[in-house]
Parts: sequence; structure tokens; C-alpha cells
Amino acid sequence: GNSVTQMEGPVTLSEEAFLTINCTYTATGYPSLFWYVQYPGEGLQLLLKATKADDKGSNKGFEATYRKETTSFHLEKGSVQVSDSAVYFCALYPNDYKLSFGAGTTVTVRA
Amino acid sequence: KAGVTQTPRYLIKTRGQQVTLSCSPISGHRSVSWYQQTPGQGLQFLFEYFSETQRNKGNFPGRFSGRQFSNSRSEMNVSTLELGDSALYLCASAEPGLRNTGELFFGEGSRLTVL
Repeated sequence: GNSVTQMEGPVTLSEEAFLTINCTYTATGYPSLFWYVQYPGEGLQLLLKATKADDKGSNKGFEATYRKETTSFHLEKGSVQVSDSAVYFCALYPNDYKLSFGAGTTVTVRA
Repeated sequence: KAGVTQTPRYLIKTRGQQVTLSCSPISGHRSVSWYQQTPGQGLQFLFEYFSETQRNKGNFPGRFSGRQFSNSRSEMNVSTLELGDSALYLCASAEPGLRNTGELFFGEGSRLTVL
């Protein structure tokens, strides 16, 4: 079946630190991969996506590369801000009308 | 353009009651999905509708049901509520097209507490 494994949190960082959140997946076929973010008290928002192997998704300084050989889609940001504090979800979409999400990683950035 | 609107935002029910949650998608979006979010199980897919047809369903008991209307608005219903049904229920809509791409626009959710 399809599944996503995310690095467990919570993660606490200082402002301007480097952030990495690991994500690996198991899927048949060639799914699209996503990172969604949930700010406190809000629903999820799409952060970035990649639809095929070696694609790099990027948005708001965040990046992730679709690595088929390692079945990974790690999220990175070079310099985090307090406003990046949120819960981050890795997700895969194997074209069956549903997203499979990882457990989520809570990130707290301190000034 | 208005976002995905879910009502009610908060509600409290007791065990054995039933509840109906409503979702209005972004104008022009015809696909609506529902997800349950709990601290223990994370985000779990409930069902997805397109043009009033359910295209996929998650592994939830028959107490959980949904439907979509001709104007793309959707409702989900949970009957005979159990304590474990306490959760944030998220609705999401997607751009028109027969095949979703996985890019969903989420509402803020309906937080259900079962006492």
C-alpha cells in the first residue's frame, strides 16, 4: 500500500537556523509528492509539490527534491523565521483521488 | 475568491447523537474531499466526491457518510457518535478536471467534541 513516513518532532530551532524534515514514502507506480503546512488554528495549505522523479519543488524559501532512488522527499529551508512555526505534513498522491499523509512534524522557531 | 468554507466551526455532541457538517468549495471547484484529523491517527482520508459521485472512500465504518449536491457543496454525516469521533474534520476542494492532481485547498475545519 501507499504510506509516508516523516521524521518525528517536535523540532525547535533558533531563527536563521537550517531546517530539514525527512520524508520517505512507499508507493506503487509514480505518485506526486507534496508538502503541506498547517499554521496554528488553520487548515492545511499547499507549500510545494513535485510530480516526477528529480523534480524540485520550491516555495517561500523551502525546497524538496523528488528522489525515486531513495524514495524520499526531504524538506529544507536555509534560514527559518519565527513565522515558519507550524506543523509540516509530507503527502503522496497516487492518482486515486486521495492524499496519504505522514504523521506531521511540529516546528517551533524561537527568536 | 472566497476559500473553502466549513460550518459549523465548533460543535459539541454527546455519545449516540448524530452530526452533519457542511462544506462549500471554492467557486468553480467540483471535487470535494473530507479528512479526519486526530492527535493519535493524524490525517485520515474519509471520502472524495466529484459531480455528486463518490470516487473513493477511506477505511471508516458505515456510520460515516457523505454526499455532494449539484452546486458542489458537500455534507458529511456521522451517526451514533462515539468518543473516538472527536476530531477536526477538514474539507478540501480541487480545481476542475476529471483527474485531481493532489493539490487541495483546505477549509479551516469543523472541530467536533463528543462527550
